[in-house]
Amino acid sequence: DAKTTQPNSMESNEEEPVHLPCNHSTISGTDYIHWYRQLPSQGPEYVIHGLTSNVNNRMASLAIAEDRKSSTLILHRATLRDAAVYYCILRAGGTSYGKLTFGQGTILTVHP
Amino acid sequence: DAGVIQSPRHEVTEMGQEVTLRCKPISGHNSLFWYRQTMMRGLELLIYFNNNVPIDDSGMPEDRFSAKMPNASFSTLKIQPSEPRDSAVYFCASSFRTGLYGNTIYFGEGSWLTVV
Repeated sequence: DAKTTQPNSMESNEEEPVHLPCNHSTISGTDYIHWYRQLPSQGPEYVIHGLTSNVNNRMASLAIAEDRKSSTLILHRATLRDAAVYYCILRAGGTSYGKLTFGQGTILTVHP
Repeated sequence: DAGVIQSPRHEVTEMGQEVTLRCKPISGHNSLFWYRQTMMRGLELLIYFNNNVPIDDSGMPEDRFSAKMPNASFSTLKIQPSEPRDSAVYFCASSFRTGLYGNTIYFGEGSWLTVV
């Protein structure tokens, strides 16, 4: 599976935007970029995903570089409930049945 | 709608005992995944099923671990005999596999296993 690189940790203040970067220089043409987050003592939850174009949903926005070798998850106004580990994952196509391979993720701390 | 349901939520057992973790995927989903999470190794995929058939069990640590999916609404992960190093949070997840791989995977709340 293609690998992703994320910063170990980031900090933000409440109600400020947060930009979480992810590098995936070995991404293949059929790989989807997925973001999941894991709140304390909970299972991972889906945040957003994309292939080539930028994506928006009620939780976040995903900005994908034109060459697809990097992406950025954008939380427009961080809240204390956004404090979590954020995982950037490449989800393979083909016969892999879409399994998710998690890396170490970015620990996001939100200060009041 | 009910999400992925796992049981038990917490289990403490003695070394050598058999442990069975259970999972009910979301109705209509055709892919099921078992993950294990520890501080040292993070989230690891153990095994996944598609249409009740195991597709890849290369993540299963050793023969003490086994997983079954007898029907579309139930799966088990069994550890026999259990060892202290099996202490971890075990997550079950499900999704609906389509031809595109952008579909979402939904996780349960996990089974917290402690082997003493």
